[in-house]
Amino acid sequence: DTAVSQTPKYLVTQMGNDKSIKCEQNLGHDTMYWYKQDSKKFLKIMFSYNNKELIINETVPNRFSPKSPDKAHLNLHINSLELGDSAVYFCASRSDGQNNSPLHFGNGTRLTVT
Amino acid sequence: AQKITQTQPGMFVQEKEAVTLDCTYDTSDPSYGLFWYKQPSSGEMIFLIYQGSYDQQNATEGRYSLNFQKARKSANLVISASQLGDSAMYFCAMREGSGRGFKTIFGAGTRLFVKA
Repeated sequence: DTAVSQTPKYLVTQMGNDKSIKCEQNLGHDTMYWYKQDSKKFLKIMFSYNNKELIINETVPNRFSPKSPDKAHLNLHINSLELGDSAVYFCASRSDGQNNSPLHFGNGTRLTVT
Repeated sequence: AQKITQTQPGMFVQEKEAVTLDCTYDTSDPSYGLFWYKQPSSGEMIFLIYQGSYDQQNATEGRYSLNFQKARKSANLVISASQLGDSAMYFCAMREGSGRGFKTIFGAGTRLFVKA
């Protein structure tokens, strides 16, 4: 069973379009995250949600809107896509119980904006 | 602000030899944690090892060990007996905050090449 799954794996779209990426975790974790990995492989946190509540918003443009219908799901909707949005987007989750709990990542969604 | 520095963009190692990947960090928080993740060419992120700031001993997980030097603020990853499958990007990361505000910030990564 896949622990953190995100869809689609690849997303190619044109500038100005709106797209969504879905993420689901079956680990029972309370906190979920979105990270962006740019072309130089740098990973930057975008958002975190804890039990459907937004906790971290790292000065991401408001074209990006996360939505968490329940604690097992965290979706990312992007409006008016721009060339600079091209990246790999990772969903992750972790257990809040202990500080040594690592992030569990999905396999990433490669977004290409043309 | 907290910061993670990985100064080696790329490293080469001969198969079966050991290699050390450097990581230094900057924080004023006395309680913090350091993680290492591996990202193979297939793209997934794999957790390798964790070191807490109050841990008395260096962390070890199989062929991975962490050379933790708190006074120098370094947390280098040592991979022993390198294998071809170890070729990947390696990221050092640090826990910032606690509880619900916990977030993990990443260094720029080191790409490791294992030569046969």
